[in-house]
Amino acid sequence: EPEVTQTPSHQVTQMGQEVILRCVPISNHLYFYWYRQILGQKVEFLVSFYNNEISEKSEIFDDQFSVERPDGSNFTLKIRSTKLEDSAMYFCASSEPDRGRDTQYFGPGTRLTVL
Amino acid sequence: KNEVEQSPQNLTAQEGEFITINCSYSVGISALHWLQQHPGGGIVSLFMLSSGKKKHGRLIATINIQEKHSSLHITASHPRDSAVYICAVRGGWNRDDKIIFGKGTRLHILP
Repeated sequence: EPEVTQTPSHQVTQMGQEVILRCVPISNHLYFYWYRQILGQKVEFLVSFYNNEISEKSEIFDDQFSVERPDGSNFTLKIRSTKLEDSAMYFCASSEPDRGRDTQYFGPGTRLTVL
Repeated sequence: KNEVEQSPQNLTAQEGEFITINCSYSVGISALHWLQQHPGGGIVSLFMLSSGKKKHGRLIATINIQEKHSSLHITASHPRDSAVYICAVRGGWNRDDKIIFGKGTRLHILP
């Protein structure tokens, strides 16, 4: 069964550094999402992406964040100048183009640790 | 005020018991998702509902739009069902609209 993949599984970085989290959505999916879960807290929506542009973003998704689909397969989340509070699990998800099937498929997540 | 409330927060039950997890929401929605988060952190989408009832194996999800309430039921529960179950709602009618998550219900099934 096709699945969403994410790399790396764990990223450790120093405060102030830039990180890029990578996702490979399911190949025929057209809608892409990033979510964040700080340890012990609920999952939070960051951004949705469709047709090569951001569709919606939350208040969390400020100028520090950006997303890109650099080629036909990858979907990336860039975090500039990381802060300690950016430490979290970051999940990518994608969903099918068929209007009748709206299930989002989640990747396994990337655990980001900012030191 | 939380827009998505789940109850209970924690639930421990014996293997074989019938499990019910509840979700109430305060906003107008176009879709409600039930997700399962494994102890390792991975998230699996179980159901997406906009009305009525859906069944998949031992899992049943129902939604009452008028009452702004959904339930997830697990029949013949098994220790492998132990996970956090998360309710999430989408407010807008577009697939790319923001999703709001509940805090989750931690389920532990004892053998």
